[in-house]
Parts: sequence; C-alpha cells; structure tokens
Amino acid sequence: DVKVTQSSRYLVKRTGEKVFLECVQDMDHENMFWYRQDPGLGLRLIYFSYDVKMKEKGDIPEGYSVSREKKERFSLILESASTNQTSMYLCASSQAGGYGSPYEQYFGPGTRLTVT
Amino acid sequence: AQSVAQPEDQVNVAEGNPLTVKCTYSVSGNPYLFWYVQYPNRGLQFLLKYITGDNLVKGSYGFEAEFNKSQTSFHLKKPSALVSDSALYFCAVRGSYNTDKLIFGTGTRLQVFP
Repeated sequence: DVKVTQSSRYLVKRTGEKVFLECVQDMDHENMFWYRQDPGLGLRLIYFSYDVKMKEKGDIPEGYSVSREKKERFSLILESASTNQTSMYLCASSQAGGYGSPYEQYFGPGTRLTVT
Repeated sequence: AQSVAQPEDQVNVAEGNPLTVKCTYSVSGNPYLFWYVQYPNRGLQFLLKYITGDNLVKGSYGFEAEFNKSQTSFHLKKPSALVSDSALYFCAVRGSYNTDKLIFGTGTRLQVFP
C-alpha cells in the first residue's frame, strides 16, 4: 500500500513564525503536491514537484515555498505565518503519467494548522 | 481552461436508497476524471477514475460513476447507500493533456440517515 505521511496532524503557530510542514512518501513516486483545503473552496494547489529539486507554482503559491532535496520528501515552508494561512494542509504523491496516462494521487492524513 | 463543478454542497439520502453525487466538467481535449472521498479528519482516498472506454466506471466500496460526454458529466452513484458512506466527496479533472496536476471541485457532503 502507498503510504504518505505528514509530520504533524495538528500545529499551532504564532503570526510571523517560520513554519515547516514535512511530507514523506514510500512508493518512489516522481510527483508530489501540496494543497490547502478550506470549507467551500475545495482543494487548492499550492506547489507541485515533478522531480528532485524541481517545482512548479500552483494556484496559490504566495506566502509559501517548497523544498524537495530527496525524492521521497517534500517540504512546505511558510516564511512568515499569517492568520489567513490557518487551514488544513494536504500532501499527495503520484506516479508521473503524462499524456494518456493519468495516475491517481495518494494523500496524507493532513495537517491542521492554526496561526494565532 | 479546465474546470470541474459540484453543484450540490450537501446530499441527504436514507440508508438503503440509491445515491447520486453530481459532477460536471469543462475541458479541452480528452477528459480524465476522478472521484475521491474524505472521511472525517482523514486525507482523501481515491475511489475511481475515467480515462477512456466504458462509460460506467466501477470503483471502491461499491461506488460507480457514469461518464456522459454530451452532458459533460461524471456523476458518482451507488445502488444502496450505507450510513458509513457519509463523507465529503470530491470530483477532479486533470489539468491539461501534459500535466499530472488535478483540478478539484469544491466538494459535496453526503449524509446518509439510518
């Protein structure tokens, strides 16, 4: 079974703090994703990585950065946390598909971040 | 641009009755469509996907989805709902022909009453 793990289930941080969210997958997937989930807005892609050290901005990258130094690990960084970044953060991974071969994404359990 | 819509925020159904969760899409090119389920305080779990071929796709936990090209719909169905099916359901479409990114709908909460 594919397993995607996230470093924390719940996190409380103060405004202005630097926050690290870690994600690890054990299936040698090329792709990794960070989403945030907010009620009524569904899932919105923050960043996508298709290979080690390779990344692509998603729909809402402002205020976030990412790091992928190893294939199995993808980190999301909030440079200076703000209250509007209070949300559920979901990590996912998938095989690389390309045209004609869409693979499903496998999700971690999520990190509920509260910024006060 | 690719997009997906889930017109219902919530669907209520009695246990044992058939259920339908609606999804419509807009794509250029071939549509690649997915359904995911999220149980409380959990990540999303893959249910099924449509790539090509048979318009009725069977997935996990007895769910199936019907692809309708003329109506640009991909509705999730189950013949007999269970209370344990109560969860949040997301439809998704692949972003474009040359990307592995998905675009998710806003989700539909399914409530199955005993």
